Amino acid sequence: LAKTTQPISMDSYEGQEVNITCSHNNIATNDYITWYQQFPSQGPRFIIQGYKTKVTNEVASLFIPADRKSSTLSLPRVSLSDTAVYYCLVGAPGGSYIPTFGRGTSLIVHP
Amino acid sequence: EAGVTQFPSHSVIEKGQTVTLRCDPISGHDNLYWYRRVMGKEIKFLLHFVKESKQDESGMPNNRFLAERTGGTYSTLKVQPAELEDSGVYFCASSQGRGPNEKLFFGSGTQLSVL
Repeated sequence: LAKTTQPISMDSYEGQEVNITCSHNNIATNDYITWYQQFPSQGPRFIIQGYKTKVTNEVASLFIPADRKSSTLSLPRVSLSDTAVYYCLVGAPGGSYIPTFGRGTSLIVHP
Repeated sequence: EAGVTQFPSHSVIEKGQTVTLRCDPISGHDNLYWYRRVMGKEIKFLLHFVKESKQDESGMPNNRFLAERTGGTYSTLKVQPAELEDSGVYFCASSQGRGPNEKLFFGSGTQLSVL
C-alpha cells in the first residue's frame, strides 16, 4: 500500500491559487491518485482523481508528473469557503483495496 | 438523489452504556464502509460490507463493536459497552463499485461522546 505524505497545514488568502503537494514515492503501476475535501462537521467529499499527467474539473486541477511519485492539487482563486482538510489517497483497483485516509492537509483561507 | 445519511448526528452517553449508530447508504450502492476519527487523529477504517457480507473488518477496535447490514441496505454499528476512548466521529461511506477509481460518498458522521 503506497504511503502518502502531505503538509499538515497551509494558509492562504482569498483570491490566491493554492497548491497542495502529496508525496507517494512507492506508488505502484496500477495505483490511482484521489483527492477528497472535508469541511468541518461533514464527511469527506470526492474532489478529483487522476492516473497521470493533468486532470481538471470545475473544482480543481490535479498535476501528476511522469514518475508519479507525487501529485499536486491546485485550487484556483480560493475563497473562504475552501477552508477545509484535503486528503490524498493512492490505491489500485480490485483485490483488498480499502480507501485509507491520512491526516490530510488543513487549509485555512484568510480574508 | 439522496446522499448517505447517518443517525443520530450526535450522541452523548455514559461509560458502560450501549449506543447504536445507523447508516443509510445511497440506494444501489453495494459497498458500505465505516470509518472513525478520534479527536486529533486521522480517519481510520473500521470495516467494509459488500451487500450484507463483511468483506474486511480488520479495523474494528475490539469485540465491543458490532456492525451489521441486514438485507444489504442500511447498516448499524453498535458499541456495547461504550468506553471513554470510543468517543469520536463515526463516518459511513458508500460506493457503487469497488476500487480507487470509484468515488466514496460520505455521510455527515455521528459525533459520539462517552462520558
